[in-house]
Amino acid sequence: EAQVTQNPRYLITVTGKKLTVTCSQNMNHEYMSWYRQDPGLGLRQIYYSMNVEVTDKGDVPEGYKVSRKEKRNFPLILESPSPNQTSLYFCASSLRGEQGEKLFFGSGTQLSVL
Amino acid sequence: QKEVEQDPGPLSVPEGAIVSLNCTYSNSAFQYFMWYRQYSRKGPELLMYTYSSGNKEDGRFTAQVDKSSKYISLFIRDSQPSDSATYLCAMGHWSSGTYKYIFGTGTRLKVLA
Repeated sequence: EAQVTQNPRYLITVTGKKLTVTCSQNMNHEYMSWYRQDPGLGLRQIYYSMNVEVTDKGDVPEGYKVSRKEKRNFPLILESPSPNQTSLYFCASSLRGEQGEKLFFGSGTQLSVL
Repeated sequence: QKEVEQDPGPLSVPEGAIVSLNCTYSNSAFQYFMWYRQYSRKGPELLMYTYSSGNKEDGRFTAQVDKSSKYISLFIRDSQPSDSATYLCAMGHWSSGTYKYIFGTGTRLKVLA
């Protein structure tokens, strides 16, 4: 089954404690991205990756890091989480063609930073 | 003014009703228009994808894009309780070597049995 898998689904942590959210896709997509979803603000892109070792900032990259060492994996790293990073996070992989891009999302990671 | 405006709802309709969900936008550069369905505690799932203007139909769902009015719609015919979810619109364009998307905040739909 084609899917994007994120772990963990729920995470509670404290300010300043480094954490990593993993993301893996089995569709052989070149493009992957991370979004956060906050009430009243919609989905906002954090980082994206066009291929292995190629990443770039999205609209809200501050406080986040990513890496893309393998095509299927795209982890999101919070080196020193803060309470304003409490949010629902989604990883997506995407299929690009001549008429645009279709995003396929994971099930989400609910992060609470105390 | 937000780039994409979407009524948050909730919108409650009886089973079998025709549902109309809408988004307006301000950026005339948008060329790609999508509708996602998001169930509670799940990730968004792509429902409809439209490039440029016009209508697109898929089963009970019809997506409509009116670029002159900067307005997109999703129609659901014969709505079912299983259609109860939050519907997100999304719009995109090519910019600085990548696709840029703006998502609406979502409309919560409840279909009552």
